Amino acid sequence: QLQLQESGPGLVKPSETLSLTCTVSGGSITSSTYYWGWIRQPPGRGLEWIGSFLYSGSTYYNPSLKSRVTISVDTSSNQFSLRLTSVTAADTAVYYCARIYNHYYFMDLWGKGTTVTVSS
Amino acid sequence: EILLTQSPGTLSLSPGEGATLSCRASQSVTSRYLAWYQQKPGQAPRLLIYGALSRATGIPDRFSGSGSGTDFTLTISRLESEDFAVYYCQQYGNSTWTFGQGTKVEIK
Repeated sequence: QLQLQESGPGLVKPSETLSLTCTVSGGSITSSTYYWGWIRQPPGRGLEWIGSFLYSGSTYYNPSLKSRVTISVDTSSNQFSLRLTSVTAADTAVYYCARIYNHYYFMDLWGKGTTVTVSS
Repeated sequence: EILLTQSPGTLSLSPGEGATLSCRASQSVTSRYLAWYQQKPGQAPRLLIYGALSRATGIPDRFSGSGSGTDFTLTISRLESEDFAVYYCQQYGNSTWTFGQGTKVEIK
């Protein structure tokens, strides 16, 4: 049973960099069948796609976040990471990692999410 | 970027009633790239429908999806207590993913 688990600091200071990791168990992030991605949800609001990658292909970012976001991959640990620079209070959210089925582009498995608060 | 607008914002219904949720796109969406999710408080979203009309594994047949082009619909035929939640549509196009703002289905 494939599972995704987000991890990282729950509190980040304004102007600093948010870093999160998604650990995938029960399946490989190198599979060409799936993209992998990050989605966030500010308190009381809707879902916002941050970025996605296909291991054997490209990485895509939300245009509104592109200048601040990097997604990287560690195949040895079967993990992928999110880095968001110059954070503000507007980046406070629950951050989810998810598996995305290639060719149909839906998110079929999600992590439980991790809450990140941006505050001094 | 394709924008998705969901309506209504909130739907107040009683158990046993039917629900019709709308998702309208700012430009045409490939049906294969349209999905619906259910989210309950404190939980991650759960995939309900993909390809506009295919139910995900384990999803009851009271949930159905339809539509094409710019207009898509999620229908819940008879609401059960566990169906009261927020529902999101999502599309893929031009290497980006976008979500609608959500429709909350609440108990009347």
